Amino acid sequence: DAGITQSPRHKVTETGTPVTLRCHQTENHRYMYWYRQDPGHGLRLIHYSYGVKDTDKGEVSDGYSVSRSKTEDFLLTLESATSSQTSVYFCATRGTSERGETQYFGPGTRLLVL
Amino acid sequence: KNEVEQSPQNLTAQEGEFITINCSYSVGISALHWLQQHPGGGIVSLFMLSSGKKKHGRLIATINIQEKHSSLHITASHPRDSAVYICAVGFFGNEKLTFGTGTRLTIIP
Repeated sequence: DAGITQSPRHKVTETGTPVTLRCHQTENHRYMYWYRQDPGHGLRLIHYSYGVKDTDKGEVSDGYSVSRSKTEDFLLTLESATSSQTSVYFCATRGTSERGETQYFGPGTRLLVL
Repeated sequence: KNEVEQSPQNLTAQEGEFITINCSYSVGISALHWLQQHPGGGIVSLFMLSSGKKKHGRLIATINIQEKHSSLHITASHPRDSAVYICAVGFFGNEKLTFGTGTRLTIIP
């Protein structure tokens, strides 16, 4: 357990409103990731970060932005939420355990855009 | 295109059975991960493999680099093993993972 928390855990919002999801980690891991999980799809990468203020796009980045001003926090913003962004969002970090390089996942945020 | 295919998509078995879940990928990789997602949604990393075999308790993961194939085995399966098992691959020089769609395993008492 890498001490990853996500907030909020559940959110209902309306189309067109901005939404920010927060990921917080306590392990000082350099790499952090935002994924979305939808039925019929594997986890898909939205954005990732390889250090403070260093971020890059994933495969489904349109409509999303991220920021990382501190090692421990990685924010995901839906600039103007759409119904297609209804999903479960997972934050993850990359670290090393006795099993080798490991991805640690947060508990997820369920977002419903009406 | 980097693709990851898992089989079967769904698997139901009786308690105590030996379980095998398969993962195939299309291009050379640096590492392969097996993850477990329980019905509550939490995702846990089980293994990271770059070659050979790893074992942890009743779980065994193998990888054949030449055949671009990995298997996850569960011995003496138990209802608490019921979960979605996800395969993910990483590529050299790339910090991102590509995920399969998962195998839903149900173990019946």
